[in-house]
Amino acid sequence: KNEVEQSPQNLTAQEGEFITINCSYSVGISALHWLQQHPGGGIVSLFMLSSGKKKHGRLIATINIQEKHSSLHITASHPRDSAVYICAVRWETSGSRLTFGEGTQLTVNP
Amino acid sequence: DAGVTQSPTHLIKTRGQQVTLRCSPKSGHDTVSWYQQALGQGPQFIFQYYEEEERQRGNFPDRFSGHQFPNYSSELNVNALLLGDSALYLCASSPPPIRETQYFGPGTRLLVL
Repeated sequence: KNEVEQSPQNLTAQEGEFITINCSYSVGISALHWLQQHPGGGIVSLFMLSSGKKKHGRLIATINIQEKHSSLHITASHPRDSAVYICAVRWETSGSRLTFGEGTQLTVNP
Repeated sequence: DAGVTQSPTHLIKTRGQQVTLRCSPKSGHDTVSWYQQALGQGPQFIFQYYEEEERQRGNFPDRFSGHQFPNYSSELNVNALLLGDSALYLCASSPPPIRETQYFGPGTRLLVL
């Protein structure tokens, strides 16, 4: 059983829709990352969170440490947002190594 | 400033062969982590190097080994390749001293036939 769970696995939206991707994890973490992966394979770091909320453009990431849950929101979605979004955590006891969720494939249709 | 670079971009090998993948970290970064990403899965941590030593290791067999050079670049070696080793191999570098943020390279796609 993967210790980092993402939902949904696949998500299809119409341009302009508000999108939420969820991530839950099993034990204490020192940080949580949201990453974006395009079809070519390259991964881009979107956010690193240890508490609260961060916003960058149309992207918002929140984390609830007590509930061991994080969400990534995309407002006014656009076809160029189509990608795989991956949640990754740094456990309190694992140094800087990351444990990844399986990713959410997002497709935004025009 | 070049980001993390990896070579080669694609590679085809046959079962039983050996492969070496290379990674150059972002300028100023001293830590390199390697991940394996099977199709449709999230990346899995292989190992991490800094100060030319393996510091952490994931759940991978000894067929997977690595090296870090004095210029911080790194190699991943896989011996006795299996079909299941087919994957995207990602390298990520981190800056000192805290090494919190990881910057990923474009990956090497390995196909084992």
